[in-house]
Amino acid sequence: EVQLVQSGAEVKKPGESLTISCKGSGYNFATYWIGWVRQMPGKGLEWMGMIYPDDSNTKYSPSFQGQVTISADKSSNTAYLQWSSLKASDTAIYYCARHIGPEPRRIDPWGQGTLVTVSS
Amino acid sequence: QSVLTQPPSASGTPGQGVTISCSGSSSKIGTNTVSWYQQLPGTAPKVLIYNNNQRPSGVPDRIYGSKSGTSASLAISGLQSEDEGDYYCATWDDSLHGWVFGGGTKLTVL
Repeated sequence: EVQLVQSGAEVKKPGESLTISCKGSGYNFATYWIGWVRQMPGKGLEWMGMIYPDDSNTKYSPSFQGQVTISADKSSNTAYLQWSSLKASDTAIYYCARHIGPEPRRIDPWGQGTLVTVSS
Repeated sequence: QSVLTQPPSASGTPGQGVTISCSGSSSKIGTNTVSWYQQLPGTAPKVLIYNNNQRPSGVPDRIYGSKSGTSASLAISGLQSEDEGDYYCATWDDSLHGWVFGGGTKLTVL
């Protein structure tokens, strides 16, 4: 079974750094793009970016370029999403998901989500 | 404002059918396939439709996707209470070199 398991919920203060993780299993982790999607409280899905673990080629949405860093370690089948200085507006659920493509593209499966709360 | 436009809400009674639309532009839906994602309350999204009209295994055939030009639709027939949730369309954006999502449609089964 293809599965993505994310790290647990985090509570941080503004200005702190944070890295959350996403471990894949049941498939060749290195040869599929894996990406991150943000869902702010009560809002819709926003695509943040993705990485190809085999060569670490990374693509970011313009909205998130420079705001976060996406990385991956193919030896441990784990992808990461990192902030160097959190803001209250980073409070959201973050989902990792395998990105299948090129066409026909789909995002499947999704991790269970990691809730990040940033509050002073 | 989302790149792909969906109605914010849709509703129907049990057994009825409902259709959710998704419109975009030529560099998005116009040249790439559309997928649809279901997010039930408190859970992660799950793919319902990909390649405009393909259902992954396990998705019932009362769920149907279609695409024409720069618009796509998701149709659900025989509504059930467990269909209540949020539905998102998504596609690849050639100019962005990334994915874009619709704003989501909240489906209520009355």
